[in-house]
Amino acid sequence: AQSVTQPDIHITVSEGASLELRCNYSYGATPYLFWYVQSPGQGLQLLLKYFSGDTLVQGIKGFEAEFKRSQSSFNLRKPSVHWSDAAEYFCAVGATGGSYIPTFGRGTSLIVHP
Amino acid sequence: KAGVTQTPRYLIKTRGQQVTLSCSPISGHRSVSWYQQTPGQGLQFLFEYFSETQRNKGNFPGRFSGRQFSNSRSEMNVSTLELGDSALYLCASSLVGQVTDTQYFGPGTRLTVL
Repeated sequence: AQSVTQPDIHITVSEGASLELRCNYSYGATPYLFWYVQSPGQGLQLLLKYFSGDTLVQGIKGFEAEFKRSQSSFNLRKPSVHWSDAAEYFCAVGATGGSYIPTFGRGTSLIVHP
Repeated sequence: KAGVTQTPRYLIKTRGQQVTLSCSPISGHRSVSWYQQTPGQGLQFLFEYFSETQRNKGNFPGRFSGRQFSNSRSEMNVSTLELGDSALYLCASSLVGQVTDTQYFGPGTRLTVL
C-alpha cells in the first residue's frame, strides 16, 4: 500500500527566507507525486507534480520539488517566502497508471513571520 | 472558465439525520472525486465518478454514497449521520480522472454534526 509522511506538522519561517518542506513516500514502483496548497477556507490547489523524467520539477508560485528515489523523498522548496505563502501544504502519491486515487500526507502548516 | 462549485458551503445536522452535498465540476470535466478532510484522519478519498458510474471507492462505510448526473454534476449522500462525520467535504473534478490529469478542487462543504 502506498503511504506518505510529512514529518513536520508546523514550520515557521521569516518572510524572504528560504523554505523546504519534507515529504517521504512509500510505494512499490516509481510513484506519481504531487504537492498541493490549501489556504484557509479553501480547497486544494495543485502546486506541482512529478511523473517521470527530470527529477527537479518546477511549479506555480515559484515552488519547486526534487524527486530523490534513493531517499524516497519529494521535498518542496522555495528560495524566498512571501507572507501570502502561509497555508497548509500537502504531499500526495498516486499509483502509476489508471485512475487517480491519491494518498495524502497529514500536511505541514507554514507560518510566515514578517 | 468557472471553477468547481460546491453547495452548500456550511451545513449543521444532528445525529441520525441524512445529508446531501452537491458538486458542479468545471465545464468539460467528466470525472468527479470526493474527499473527506478531518483533523484526526486528514484527507481521505471517498469515491470517484465518471460518466455517471462509480469507478473507484475508498474505505468508507456504506452510509456514504454518491451519484453523478448526465451533466457530470455530482452529489454525495451521508445517511444516519454520526458525530465523526463532521468534516470538510471536498469535491474535485478532472477531465477523465486519470492520474496524469490535473484535479481542480472546490472550496468544500463544512459539515457539522451535533
